[in-house]
Amino acid sequence: KQEVTQIPAALSVPEGENLVLNCSFTDSAIYNLQWFRQDHGKGLTSLLLIQSSQREQTSGRLNASLDKSSGRSTLYIAASQPGDSATYLCAAPNSGNTPLVFGKGTRLSVIA
Amino acid sequence: GAVVSQHPSRVICKSGTSVKIECRSLDFQATTMFWYRQFPKQSLMLMATSNEGSKATYEQGVEKDKFLINHASLTLSTLTVTSAHPEDSSFYICSALESGQGAGTDTQYFGPGTRLTVL
Repeated sequence: KQEVTQIPAALSVPEGENLVLNCSFTDSAIYNLQWFRQDHGKGLTSLLLIQSSQREQTSGRLNASLDKSSGRSTLYIAASQPGDSATYLCAAPNSGNTPLVFGKGTRLSVIA
Repeated sequence: GAVVSQHPSRVICKSGTSVKIECRSLDFQATTMFWYRQFPKQSLMLMATSNEGSKATYEQGVEKDKFLINHASLTLSTLTVTSAHPEDSSFYICSALESGQGAGTDTQYFGPGTRLTVL
């Protein structure tokens, strides 16, 4: 059964810093992996979806990479802003494509 | 992208009552929907897989008689928390599966969640 681990659990950085969030998964037989953002007390916002055939995906200041062979993914946030403060969740499918299994998240605080 | 709605967004109830949460796929049909639960400062945990026209599949440790799931149409799944207790207080999030063309192209879309508080 898929297990997803995220490191660090929490991170506090000053505004403007570049940062990397890490995700590892145990079952590499996946079609894709997703990163989500969750604001406090709110639902999920999908950030990036990386297909297994891709090595990375970019959206604005966000870049996610996927290395299936090592069971790792990273989310890179460039020039962080206070508005980036949220919990970031990594999710990989339990088998193949669905359902998604979530990590515990990284709680990010960007200090102005 | 596809839209999934949940109703209600927030509910407060007394211990012992039952609460129904609706999950709808607004612009696509979903044969499969998923129900997740999130306790404070915890991640989302899959509770069950809801299949249209058949019984739901529950994850280990989830009581099927307490969390009743009905997926009567291709756009609606409901989760009923029966005889709710304070420990059932949580954030419940549903997800609808949009089928793609080809292996690995199915996509899960998530609802905004329902916050249940049992007094």
